[in-house]
Amino acid sequence: DAKTTQPNSMESNEEEPVHLPCNHSTISGTDYIHWYRQLPSQGPEYVIHGLTSNVNNRMASLAIAEDRKSSTLILHRATLRDAAVYYCILSVDSNYQLIWGAGTKLIIKP
Amino acid sequence: NAGVMQNPRHLVRRRGQEARLRCSPMKGHSHVYWYRQLPEEGLKFMVYLQKENIIDESGMPKERFSAEFPKEGPSILRIQQVVRGDSAAYFCASSPLSDNPYGYTFGSGTRLTVV
Repeated sequence: DAKTTQPNSMESNEEEPVHLPCNHSTISGTDYIHWYRQLPSQGPEYVIHGLTSNVNNRMASLAIAEDRKSSTLILHRATLRDAAVYYCILSVDSNYQLIWGAGTKLIIKP
Repeated sequence: NAGVMQNPRHLVRRRGQEARLRCSPMKGHSHVYWYRQLPEEGLKFMVYLQKENIIDESGMPKERFSAEFPKEGPSILRIQQVVRGDSAAYFCASSPLSDNPYGYTFGSGTRLTVV
């Protein structure tokens, strides 16, 4: 199974940009890269997804390396409400059978 | 415009009892997915249902677990004769499309504790 590697935790200051890295060296050509986040005691929340090109939406930006073996989720201006576990996930056979890892716990310091 | 509703939020069962977890999808969503999350781990896919049909149950344990999504009413995940290893958070997600790359809407989950 294609897997992702993320740091266990990261810290950032409030109102500064945050770059969350993800390695997925075994990705295949048709695998989408998805990012979800999970606040404490909540269900996961979709953040963004992409295939080859960089993507932007109202929540974040996704920068995908040219060889697609890594990607970075960018939160342009972190707030305290962005403190969550962020999951970088590949869809292998389907977009619902996502292979979830342990994610990165993002800590925002005021 | 309510999101995905799951109940109960917390459920405590003794070993050997049955657990019934309910999920009402978002309005207009006819595709429902169940996932299990153990502490400090990511989610694991269990089953994908449409109304009155199980589409993909490849993640469901072969015994004691079943799921349904009847024509009327919520989707139900049923765990018979619960054991301590069933203690986990169970999340339901819904989607308007069958294999939607644009994200799934998750409920807040049911936290099952088996004592």
